[in-house]
Amino acid sequence: GDSVTQMEGPVTLSEEAFLTINCTYTATGYPSLFWYVQYPGEGLQLLLKATKADDKGSNKGFEATYRKETTSFHLEKGSVQVSDSAVYFCALSGNTPLVFGKGTRLSVIA
Amino acid sequence: NAGVMQNPRHLVRRRGQEARLRCSPMKGHSHVYWYRQLPEEGLKFMVYLQKENIIDESGMPKERFSAEFPKEGPSILRIQQVVRGDSAAYFCASSETGASGTEAFFGQGTRLTVV
Repeated sequence: GDSVTQMEGPVTLSEEAFLTINCTYTATGYPSLFWYVQYPGEGLQLLLKATKADDKGSNKGFEATYRKETTSFHLEKGSVQVSDSAVYFCALSGNTPLVFGKGTRLSVIA
Repeated sequence: NAGVMQNPRHLVRRRGQEARLRCSPMKGHSHVYWYRQLPEEGLKFMVYLQKENIIDESGMPKERFSAEFPKEGPSILRIQQVVRGDSAAYFCASSETGASGTEAFFGQGTRLTVV
């Protein structure tokens, strides 16, 4: 079945550092890809999405590009802030409801 | 436009009791999804409902768990005879359609603790 694999956390970065969180997927057909963010004690919020190959999703300085050839959707941000500390989930939606990766906890220290 | 509303936010039940978790989708959304999140784990899909119909329940445990989404009122996830292993955060999401690429909006979750 469809699945998502993302890098294990936790990830700890200093403010203004560059962030990459890797995400690869397995799916039949051409799924849509998402990154969701979860702040402590909260539900998930959509961060960005891409619906077809080579699409780039972007929001709040975060970016991810849908790479069909490598089945990847890595999340990047050029300069993280303390307020970016959260858990980030990669997800896909094909012929099934959203399938999530296990999440990557990011801690940004001042 | 209110978001997805889940209640209660926190629920404590003794082993053997029943737990009822409620989810009101966003206005205009007729597709509802339930997920379970264990500590330090991702979200595991449980069930997908569209008004009065269960579309996909492949993630639901075969016993003690049931879900409904009546024509009127919220969606309900019901857990009978709870056990300690049911302790988790349960999230509901809703979407306008069931098509791939449609954004799903999540509630803040119900944190169930079984004592």
